[in-house]
Amino acid sequence: GAVVSQHPSRVICKSGTSVKIECRSLDFQATTMFWYRQFPKQSLMLMATSNEGSKATYEQGVEKDKFLINHASLTLSTLTVTSAHPEDSSFYICSADEKIGAEAFFGQGTRLTVV
Amino acid sequence: AQSVAQPEDQVNVAEGNPLTVKCTYSVSGNPYLFWYVQYPNRGLQFLLKYITGDNLVKGSYGFEAEFNKSQTSFHLKKPSALVSDSALYFCAVSVNTGGFKTIFGAGTRLFVKA
Repeated sequence: GAVVSQHPSRVICKSGTSVKIECRSLDFQATTMFWYRQFPKQSLMLMATSNEGSKATYEQGVEKDKFLINHASLTLSTLTVTSAHPEDSSFYICSADEKIGAEAFFGQGTRLTVV
Repeated sequence: AQSVAQPEDQVNVAEGNPLTVKCTYSVSGNPYLFWYVQYPNRGLQFLLKYITGDNLVKGSYGFEAEFNKSQTSFHLKKPSALVSDSALYFCAVSVNTGGFKTIFGAGTRLFVKA
């Protein structure tokens, strides 16, 4: 099946710094990618839909100035957590679909710890 | 509103016994239904999907699921559980809200005891 690669898998950063997470579709082009956040023992919360060549669509309650999304090419979307705080510590997961309505392929996830 | 419900937070089953993980959905139109599995500190892996056709769909690792339109259910099943099946399972539905996106259930943790 299709492969989505997410990097880094783990990152520890200091409060106030910014962290960039990359999501790449390795063998297909993804006009749309999705960013999720997962808290311990909870389901995935959709944060935003990343659209190639245009602005991301954020879900209600997600701060777009806090979580910057850039989808500059058909194979790469990035999520930047700006001015990170300990409450931003979480597991972030990206996904992409090969085609509309098809199953999603997920990245390996990024464990962010803000100290 | 479009939604997916997984009524059980946790399912416990002995190895070798059949397992069922329940899922019900509420969507307008014809649903695209999926099951995914998540192992600790990993992204999700696709197990199986229902788009159209035969109500019983077979997927990876011996799992299957039955689409029941009248009960709006899509329960995940396996005839004989393995300890290695222990993981977090998510039911999901793909919906078109001016663009496709996936709505996930809350997840069900499956424990298979040896």
